[in-house]
Order: sequence, then C-alpha cells, then structure tokens
Amino acid sequence: EAGVVQSPRYKIIEKKQPVAFWCNPISGHNTLYWYRQNLGQGPELLIRYENEEAVDDSQLPKDRFSAERLKGVDSTLKIQPAELGDSAVYLCASTRSRQEQYFGPGTRLTVT
Amino acid sequence: AQRVTQPEKLLSVFKGAPVELKCNYSYSGSPELFWYVQYSRQRLQLLLRHISRESIKGFTADLNKGETSFHLKKPFAQEEDSAMYYCALSGGGGYQKVTFGTGTKLQVIP
Repeated sequence: EAGVVQSPRYKIIEKKQPVAFWCNPISGHNTLYWYRQNLGQGPELLIRYENEEAVDDSQLPKDRFSAERLKGVDSTLKIQPAELGDSAVYLCASTRSRQEQYFGPGTRLTVT
Repeated sequence: AQRVTQPEKLLSVFKGAPVELKCNYSYSGSPELFWYVQYSRQRLQLLLRHISRESIKGFTADLNKGETSFHLKKPFAQEEDSAMYYCALSGGGGYQKVTFGTGTKLQVIP
C-alpha cells in the first residue's frame, strides 16, 4: 500500500501567484486533514474533512486559502494569492474513525 | 482550548543513557495523547498512544492526569532513536481535532 500520497513534493513560486496541493488518502479512510508546518514548529491543523464535509476549518485563512474534497476521496488545498509567510510544509493525513493518523510526505512550499 | 507544550527543543543524550522527553497538555475534558516520531527523511508516524498502554521500540509513556503530563521514556537510548518527537492531543468524545506540540529533537551521541 502506497500510503497517503501528496504532490507536488516541492514547489517554488513568486508571491501573489496561486498554488495548489493535492492529496490522495489511504483507501477507506473517511477523515482527511490538512496541516501546515512552519520551520521549527509542530503541524497546525488547517482543515479536517469527514468524507466530503469540512467539519473543522476554523484555522483556515479563508481570504486566500480554499480546500475541497470531491467525492470524499482526494483533496486539493489552494492558496491564492500566496504570500511570503505561506512558506512552509503542507501535510495531508488520513485516518479511519478514531485510529491513528497516517501522514503523507508533505509539500514544501517556498514563496519568493 | 487545547494546548500541548514540549519545553525542550533539543535533547542530547549518550547512547545507553535514559531518555525522557517531556510533554504537558492543557485540556478540560478527557484527552487522548499520542507520541509521533519523524526520522530523518521519513514521514511523520505514530509511535504510541496512551490508550494502548504498550511499549514501542522500548519507549513508554504514562498519562498523568494530575500533572497533565505525558512524558516519553526509554531506559537505554540507541543511536537509531535520533529523530524529531511530537506530542499530540486529541479531544475525546469523538471530536478528532489534534493539536501538536512544537517537537523535541532527540540526538543520541554514540
């Protein structure tokens, strides 16, 4: 099993440009998370999905960030426009019910 | 609000020495506590969770509700234990929000 898949692994963009990250969770995992991890910090939750429903997006900066999980499987996280402070690693994780979270490798975003 | 505090950014120990990575939490209900580990060039993965009450790779952690702590311990450190360790808290009652600490880098000196 491949585990949680994320792409791209690295992305370098100029500020004010848009960027999108994709996540494919483990098959059968109904819960999907997007985290942002700044250098020297732990992961911070951006949004949590239960199937296709976003049940916790209180930490998502909605003026520039958006996310979707069509059909309750794959998910996309978008930033438009990106700012310098958005440089971070964006992690996707999935879980089945109350089990452990399985993390993807992350996407390292650099905004110049 | 739920919060997780890991006071040490870096912990260096010699091989064979005991290890204790500290974690304190703040939560009003009954939390679930976890330790996640990230080895060099690998993805974040679960090390252990308090409800399992098991030892993984020689590590144990006991939930102390009185002191609101969940320290990670190992009696004899090994070089392969060198990694980033994150303590995490999940609110109980089915709410799946997980809050992570800032992490502690464990460096085991040969």
